[in-house]
Amino acid sequence: AQTVTQSQPEMSVQEAETVTLSCTYDTSESNYYLFWYKQPPSRQMILVIRQEAYKQQNATENRFSVNFQKAAKSFSLKISDSQLGDTAMYFCAFMRYSNYQLIWGAGTKLIIKP
Amino acid sequence: NAGVTQTPKFQVLKTGQSMTLQCAQDMNHEYMSWYRQDPGMGLRLIHYSVGAGITDQGEVPNGYNVSRSTTEDFPLRLLSAAPSQTSVYFCASSYSGQGNTEAFFGQGTRLTVV
Repeated sequence: AQTVTQSQPEMSVQEAETVTLSCTYDTSESNYYLFWYKQPPSRQMILVIRQEAYKQQNATENRFSVNFQKAAKSFSLKISDSQLGDTAMYFCAFMRYSNYQLIWGAGTKLIIKP
Repeated sequence: NAGVTQTPKFQVLKTGQSMTLQCAQDMNHEYMSWYRQDPGMGLRLIHYSVGAGITDQGEVPNGYNVSRSTTEDFPLRLLSAAPSQTSVYFCASSYSGQGNTEAFFGQGTRLTVV
């Protein structure tokens, strides 16, 4: 069975700093997707970034980038130039190709301080 | 496009009552799923569907029932509510993209069972 682990329950950084959120996962499958979702206090789940396992190049979306280490089963999220609006819960999630269902980490609460 | 529409946003039930959480998507996605989110935990899969007429159990299916008579709709039924079912519920849909997929979420339902 797949598992996803986020080892940082809470992090806080100053505005404009760079922060890295950690995620590790366990699977025997070779093809899958990995995601980072953001959940602000509004409760809405918002896609931050996605990575396909067969792609070696790390995904980037503006200030957000990942460090995907397939052999180590690690998928960390780096947020550059952090902004107050980045304050939220961040969830790492694994999606199987077979049924497109998500397995989630427990989340990291990120607080950006002014 | 409305995306994924989930109703209601809030609900209070008495122990033993039954109810149905509604979920509809207008994106013609094959895959739909229900998750519950409890404090300190990631989302957990309750039931999912890979197409109309096909449903399957997820990680925590007990006490819940689903059906998928159309591509658009995927209601979740609580058969006899228990306090342990107090949670936030999310409906999601996704598609089998060519290297490009994600899960789209409803706005969530906060359910309290007293």
